[in-house]
Amino acid sequence: EPEVTQTPSHQVTQMGQEVILRCVPISNHLYFYWYRQILGQKVEFLVSFYNNEISEKSEIFDDQFSVERPDGSNFTLKIRSTKLEDSAMYFCASRLAGVYNEQFFGPGTRLTVL
Amino acid sequence: DAKTTQPNSMESNEEEPVHLPCNHSTISGTDYIHWYRQLPSQGPEYVIHGLTSNVNNRMASLAIAEDRKSSTLILHRATLRDAAVYYCILRDMNTNAGKSTFGDGTTLTVKP
Repeated sequence: EPEVTQTPSHQVTQMGQEVILRCVPISNHLYFYWYRQILGQKVEFLVSFYNNEISEKSEIFDDQFSVERPDGSNFTLKIRSTKLEDSAMYFCASRLAGVYNEQFFGPGTRLTVL
Repeated sequence: DAKTTQPNSMESNEEEPVHLPCNHSTISGTDYIHWYRQLPSQGPEYVIHGLTSNVNNRMASLAIAEDRKSSTLILHRATLRDAAVYYCILRDMNTNAGKSTFGDGTTLTVKP
């Protein structure tokens, strides 16, 4: 069964450093998402991406965040200057066209900012 | 986004049915009802979705009230692997982005 993959599984970085989290969505999917989950808290929506542009973003997704689909397979989330409060699990998701279609989530990247 | 209300936690015995309720009294006519679950240390996983009619798949059944103000996820025979947080999410079919807004969900504990 096709699945969403994410790398790395765990990323440790120093405050102020840039990080790039990578995702490979399912190949025929058209909509791509990033979510995050701070330890012990809810899963929070960050951004959705369709047709090579952001279709919706949350208040969390400020100028420090950016997304890119640099080729036909990867989908990346960049945090320019990490803060301590960016420490969280980051989940990538993708889905087919049709809003009723389910989102397939990756296993997540645990980001630890020291 | 229309809001959903779920019990914080529920317990079940292994191999018994589990009924997980969700209230969504402000649901609009264009909202799909989706259920996801999150097993410990994993990403969310799709379970089932519906619009108006009851739905069955290999994982579960979804019973939707006639007025659509509530729904119930039914696990027919709970296993230890079903211990997870279950989320009831409304998704507006008119919203192209189709994000999922997660609440606190129901933490299901399955006892052997």
